[in-house]
Amino acid sequence: KAGVTQTPRYLIKTRGQQVTLSCSPISGHRSVSWYQQTPGQGLQFLFEYFSETQRNKGNFPGRFSGRQFSNSRSEMNVSTLELGDSALYLCASSLYGRASTDTQYFGPGTRLTVL
Amino acid sequence: DAKTTQPPSMDCAEGRAANLPCNHSTISGNEYVYWYRQIHSQGPQYIIHGLKNNETNEMASLIITEDRKSSTLILPHATLRDTAVYYCIVYTGTASKLTFGTGTRLQVTL
Repeated sequence: KAGVTQTPRYLIKTRGQQVTLSCSPISGHRSVSWYQQTPGQGLQFLFEYFSETQRNKGNFPGRFSGRQFSNSRSEMNVSTLELGDSALYLCASSLYGRASTDTQYFGPGTRLTVL
Repeated sequence: DAKTTQPPSMDCAEGRAANLPCNHSTISGNEYVYWYRQIHSQGPQYIIHGLKNNETNEMASLIITEDRKSSTLILPHATLRDTAVYYCIVYTGTASKLTFGTGTRLQVTL
């Protein structure tokens, strides 16, 4: 079974631009979560989508948004990029997102650099 | 979700068992203990999880104390490839929201 894939793997943008990152979950998984990892703040939860609906959201500004398609693939978008948005963005998928029965599997991440 | 406390770093000789402790004294009855590891900027890798009983899989063993306030991840025969940051996470619910702490940086040496 193929794992979680993320595209692109590396991205360089300039301040003020916007960016879209893509995540393809493991086949059959319906829950997709996004995380941001920076040296200063560590790994932080951004949001989770299940059945095309945002089910939970972390403490990030509205510039960070996402969506999920009917095939469970997900995208996240960051508008008006700031230098502090430079980070490794990770996507994780699980069957239903239940702690009791599901495991989240992570993709390799997209390394975003904002200049 | 309950907060966890882990030592910032540990060393282990290759071939020996690595025992990584985690304190989660405020864990509630329906919270699971999960362990992930991250090898140098790759995506975190799931290792094992449990609720109250000890668990074992092909990668590791998880020992949870009877009062559930702490746990230990055991890598029975550590190799250089086990050098990574290990995260202990406790969570419940259906939100797929993992709260990562700072983890333990395990260095396996020859």
